[in-house]
Amino acid sequence: QLQLQESGSGLVKTSQTLSLRCAVSGASVTSGAFSWSWIRQTPGKGLEWLGDISFTGSTRYNWSLKTRVLITSDRSNNQFFLRLTSMTAADTAVYFCVSGLLSMAAEPFDYWGQGTRVIVSS
Amino acid sequence: DIQMTQSPSSLSASVGDRVTFSCRPSQSISTYLNWYQQQPGKAPKLLIYAASSLQSGVPSRFSGSGSGTDFTLTISSLQPEDFATYFCQQSYGVPYTFGQGTKLEIK
Repeated sequence: QLQLQESGSGLVKTSQTLSLRCAVSGASVTSGAFSWSWIRQTPGKGLEWLGDISFTGSTRYNWSLKTRVLITSDRSNNQFFLRLTSMTAADTAVYFCVSGLLSMAAEPFDYWGQGTRVIVSS
Repeated sequence: DIQMTQSPSSLSASVGDRVTFSCRPSQSISTYLNWYQQQPGKAPKLLIYAASSLQSGVPSRFSGSGSGTDFTLTISSLQPEDFATYFCQQSYGVPYTFGQGTKLEIK
């Protein structure tokens, strides 16, 4: 059973950088069967896909975040990361790490971490 | 970006009722449409993928239909555990986008 677990800073100061880690078990981040995404949720904007990383290490991002977002992976320790710079109150959200199942039509998000709440405060 | 519009935003129903939710993308997305259920304080759970395929382990009272710009999620006979929020999501183009959700409440 694939499991994902987020960890990282829950309280970030305005203008600083958010760093989150997602530990993966039950599958490998090097598997071509999955993509690895970060998705966040706010009461105002709902669910927002931030970007993903593939088994090759290639990345895709939501253009709305422009150059603020970086997703990387650590194959040795089977985990992937989110880095989001220049944080503002608008980035306050619950952040989920999620696997996308590439072998299924429409590549749905099939496994989700429990989510980690991030608050941005001055 | 492809905008996903769900209706209604909330719905009240009773156990045993048949309910339908609508999702309309701003452009045609073929069948690149997935549905999720979210309980309060939990992560979303995949119900339906590719518009009409039932995810393994999901009860058969859930069904999905549609293509292009008009999609529907149906629950044939509501059970107490079905009261939750439902989201659609398109995987036709990046950035992937979600609808704002339909909250299903007990009447």
